Amino acid sequence: EVRLVESGGGLVQPGGSLRLSCVASGFSFSSYEMFWVRQAPGKGLEWVSLIIGSGSPMYHADSVKGRFTISRDNAKNSLYLQMDSLRADDTAVYFCARALVHYPMDLWGQGTTVTVSS
Amino acid sequence: QSVLTQPPSASGTPGQRVTISCSGSRFNIGENYVHWYQQQLPGTAPKVLIQRNDERPPGVPDRFSGSKSGTSASLAISGLRSEDEADYYCAAWDNSLSGWVFGGGTKLNVL
Repeated sequence: EVRLVESGGGLVQPGGSLRLSCVASGFSFSSYEMFWVRQAPGKGLEWVSLIIGSGSPMYHADSVKGRFTISRDNAKNSLYLQMDSLRADDTAVYFCARALVHYPMDLWGQGTTVTVSS
Repeated sequence: QSVLTQPPSASGTPGQRVTISCSGSRFNIGENYVHWYQQQLPGTAPKVLIQRNDERPPGVPDRFSGSKSGTSASLAISGLRSEDEADYYCAAWDNSLSGWVFGGGTKLNVL
């Protein structure tokens, strides 16, 4: 089955860290660009990070640059998001998604919830 | 404020045709493909409706169509149905930001 499954969300205090994971199955993981997209409560979709199939380059939204780092392990069919210096406005559902170059994000995970609160 | 501008809401009655606009700049819509997504419920995975400006992925009904002109794009839904009630987002790569940008989303109500 072609799918993406995220994990690692939870409750964390402001200034804390969290690492999200996304495991892919059923497709050639290394052939795809991989994304993290988030949705804060009551808000729209916000692109967070992108990593190319080979692992480099990586791109991050200005809102998370310097705090979040995307990475991937093609041997494990896994995508990661290391989130440091978390703030209350990072509270959101975080989705991982895949895309081919010049094509849209056509497969999404179910999302994992990150709550930043004291 | 989103880099891509969409109306916050739209509405129509069953059978009608509605259009949702997405306005950007030469750095995003002007120079790159626009994709459209449908999200049935907030917090759930979006679905691709239109890819590369005007292409329908397999399985998407031909009631949905997309177009692009200059720095703006549009999603049209004809023969409106109750199940079309959802949030719709446009998205494009932005060359100046070196990142993807989404519109703020349009909530479609089927009256």
